[in-house]
Amino acid sequence: DVKVTQSSRYLVKRTGEKVFLECVQDMDHENMFWYRQDPGLGLRLIYFSYDVKMKEKGDIPEGYSVSREKKERFSLILESASTNQTSMYLCASSLKRGATYEQYFGPGTRLTVT
Amino acid sequence: AQTVTQSQPEMSVQEAETVTLSCTYDTSENNYYLFWYKQPPSRQMILVIRQEAYKQQNATENRFSVNFQKAAKSFSLKISDSQLGDTAMYFCAWGYGNKLVFGAGTILRVKS
Repeated sequence: DVKVTQSSRYLVKRTGEKVFLECVQDMDHENMFWYRQDPGLGLRLIYFSYDVKMKEKGDIPEGYSVSREKKERFSLILESASTNQTSMYLCASSLKRGATYEQYFGPGTRLTVT
Repeated sequence: AQTVTQSQPEMSVQEAETVTLSCTYDTSENNYYLFWYKQPPSRQMILVIRQEAYKQQNATENRFSVNFQKAAKSFSLKISDSQLGDTAMYFCAWGYGNKLVFGAGTILRVKS
């Protein structure tokens, strides 16, 4: 079974802090994704990566950056956290670039910025 | 831009009954994929069912089946013999290339 893990289930940070959310997948998937989930808005794509050191902006990249130094690991960075970034963050992975494969999700990180 | 609309924010059903969750989408693509994902309370999101747009036959997975109407751009999920464990948020998603576009979700509560 594919396993996607995220470094924290719950996180509380202060406004202005730099925040790192880590995601690891164990099935050699090429694609990895970061979403944020908000009530009434569903899941919105922040960034995705189809290879090491490669990234593409999603629908809401402002205020976020990402890093993919190894194939299995994809990090989401909030350079200066703000209260409007309080949300549930979901990481996902899928098999290969260029085709639509099922995405496998991590358990999510509920981030609160105070 | 592609959009996915789930018009029912919340639904409830009695145990053992059948319920249908609706989903419509907008796209100009011809070959794409559609998914239903389930997110149980405080648990990981998992795939329920998947449909390829080029297939006319509706996908089924045990108690879960879809009604795919390509011309109408409609993709509803039917859950038969509802169980308490079906209580979850259900997301409809449209997929093309690497990406998925998700609807806002429908909270389904199964009552005993």
